[in-house]
Amino acid sequence: QKEVEQNSGPLSVPEGAIASLNCTYSDRVSQSFFWYRQYSGKSPELIMSIYSNGDKEDGRFTAQLNKASQYVSLLIRDSQPSDSATYLCAVRRTYNQGGKLIFGQGTELSVKP
Amino acid sequence: KAGVTQTPRYLIKTRGQQVTLSCSPISGHRSVSWYQQTPGQGLQFLFEYFSETQRNKGNFPGRFSGRQFSNSRSEMNVSTLELGDSALYLCASSLEGGLSNQPQHFGDGTRLSIL
Repeated sequence: QKEVEQNSGPLSVPEGAIASLNCTYSDRVSQSFFWYRQYSGKSPELIMSIYSNGDKEDGRFTAQLNKASQYVSLLIRDSQPSDSATYLCAVRRTYNQGGKLIFGQGTELSVKP
Repeated sequence: KAGVTQTPRYLIKTRGQQVTLSCSPISGHRSVSWYQQTPGQGLQFLFEYFSETQRNKGNFPGRFSGRQFSNSRSEMNVSTLELGDSALYLCASSLEGGLSNQPQHFGDGTRLSIL
């Protein structure tokens, strides 16, 4: 079992729709969770960080964390073609892992005009 | 505020050579982590440096090494290059690692190609 798992996609949604990206992790002691966006040929860009159970909203993005289910998700409302990218879920066991992030394989999102 | 700066952006080497990559973190950031990204394996953690000390290490052979200087700049070295070392090498910095929840910010990466 991989430490962090994501659906590889591609996930295709029409412009204006809600895109839902999911991520599960295997280590219960994981404490910090991050979503990065990576455009083709570019480096990952931080979108959201979440540390506590529940929802965290930032503009069109909402991150949801459920530690009991070991599940974190990212919702993108009013999806735009410019949101087309690969979305990477990253997990950190903060208390003794320092800067070590464990990444999922990424979900490719395609937003069709 | 300048972001994470990695040099060079592109590098072509041959098998058996060695290479040094450089990373300058965001001003004030003390933690620098290195990652390797390949199509098959995705993003994999190499190592992290904090206050000139390696604090974490991933599952890579000893040919991969690094160091951090007193100004937090970091270098990564790969010796005896193999074809499988062809990858995008990413550096990420954060204010500090450890007990902090500070997120990491990535540089543009160095694209290393081994011929």
